Amino acid sequence: ETGVTQTPRHLVMGMTNKKSLKCEQHLGHNAMYWYKQSAKKPLELMFVYNFKEQTENNSVPSRFSPECPNSSHLFLHLHTLQPEDSALYLCASSQVLGGASYNEQFFGPGTRLTVL
Amino acid sequence: AQSVTQPDIHITVSEGASLELRCNYSYGATPYLFWYVQSPGQGLQLLLKYFSGDTLVQGIKGFEAEFKRSQSSFNLRKPSVHWSDAAEYFCAVAEDAGNMLTFGGGTRLMVKP
Repeated sequence: ETGVTQTPRHLVMGMTNKKSLKCEQHLGHNAMYWYKQSAKKPLELMFVYNFKEQTENNSVPSRFSPECPNSSHLFLHLHTLQPEDSALYLCASSQVLGGASYNEQFFGPGTRLTVL
Repeated sequence: AQSVTQPDIHITVSEGASLELRCNYSYGATPYLFWYVQSPGQGLQLLLKYFSGDTLVQGIKGFEAEFKRSQSSFNLRKPSVHWSDAAEYFCAVAEDAGNMLTFGGGTRLMVKP
């Protein structure tokens, strides 16, 4: 595997289900991200992990729970979701450098989530 | 807070015609600017980026973009569009020394044969 992979690619779940999305990066990066892409809104950053520590939670409801066990893996645990949570969930990774440096983010193909 | 505007939601061009996708940003300092492309069912792929220096940057797949500070713009161009360029294009801006990207709403490009 190369780049950023996400599983599953498609997920249908009921509002009472619990499921998890998985992301793995094979690039040796030290930062990982979850984004939500829905039809009616611009791409929204949800969570940021730098060196396995969560550094950003962009006012995301608690029914979304991220987990970053190591710098290569990122999970998004889902429970009691709402139909409006149906969207494409994208994972990304980057190499965070010190000082005023910036490296681009590399994205996975996404998980298409449908909440019934 | 920074923001990015892509005024055109949809654009249709004929194959072989030139293309320009508009992007305007709002940010106080010199921004880091990016263009990403998303094909159906795919994640986002970086086309090009501007950090500093030459304001005309070259990217992959024959794309280029020009940073114009006076207009707060970073428009994407291609001299001759191919049918495979049909996709959604996103402009994004990042803060100095951070790893937070703010995306525009995207422009969906359709290519007529």
